[in-house]
Amino acid sequence: EVQLVQSGAEVKRPGATLKISCKTSGYTFIDQYIHWVRQAPGKGLEWMGLVDPENGDTIYARKLQVRLTLTADTSTNTAYMYLNRLNTDDTAIYYCATGPDWFDAWGQGTQVTVSS
Amino acid sequence: DIQLTQSPPFLSASLGDRITISCRASQDIRRYLAWYQQKPGKAPKLLIHSASTLQNAVPARFSGSGSGTEFTLTINSLQPEDLGTYYCQQLNSYPRTFGQGTRLEIK
Repeated sequence: EVQLVQSGAEVKRPGATLKISCKTSGYTFIDQYIHWVRQAPGKGLEWMGLVDPENGDTIYARKLQVRLTLTADTSTNTAYMYLNRLNTDDTAIYYCATGPDWFDAWGQGTQVTVSS
Repeated sequence: DIQLTQSPPFLSASLGDRITISCRASQDIRRYLAWYQQKPGKAPKLLIHSASTLQNAVPARFSGSGSGTEFTLTINSLQPEDLGTYYCQQLNSYPRTFGQGTRLEIK
């Protein structure tokens, strides 16, 4: 069974850097991209970007590309999301997800609150 | 970027009803479309990929159709557990955009 387990909830100050981990199991880590999706309170799903664990290649959503870094550690089958220069608009639930192309496995979500 | 427009944004239906949700793409995405169901407080769940292929273990009352720019999700014989928000997502190009969602309420 494919499982993605994310790190716990975070409270951050504006201007800080966020780091979320996504530990995977149940499949070959390098065979599928890891995507990151976020959902602001009461809003829809926003695709943030992806990392290819096989070679570290990334694709970022244009609005986030200057602040977002996605990495993958093949020794621990874990993906990481770093978002810097946080502002209150970054308050959201953050999900990692994977699949052959569509997203058939999701992490449980990480609640992030950005507040002064 | 490809825009996806879902309609309606909100739907209220009764048990046993047949409902349809539309997803329109701003350009041709062939059949590269997926549908997800999200229940309150939970991660989204894949229902359908490739416009009409039912994901494993998803009840057969769910079906998808369409190609190009026009797509439809249909739920036959609505059940209580079908409440939630439904999203389409295009897989034709990056960024992998989602529709804005359709919230389904059971009367």
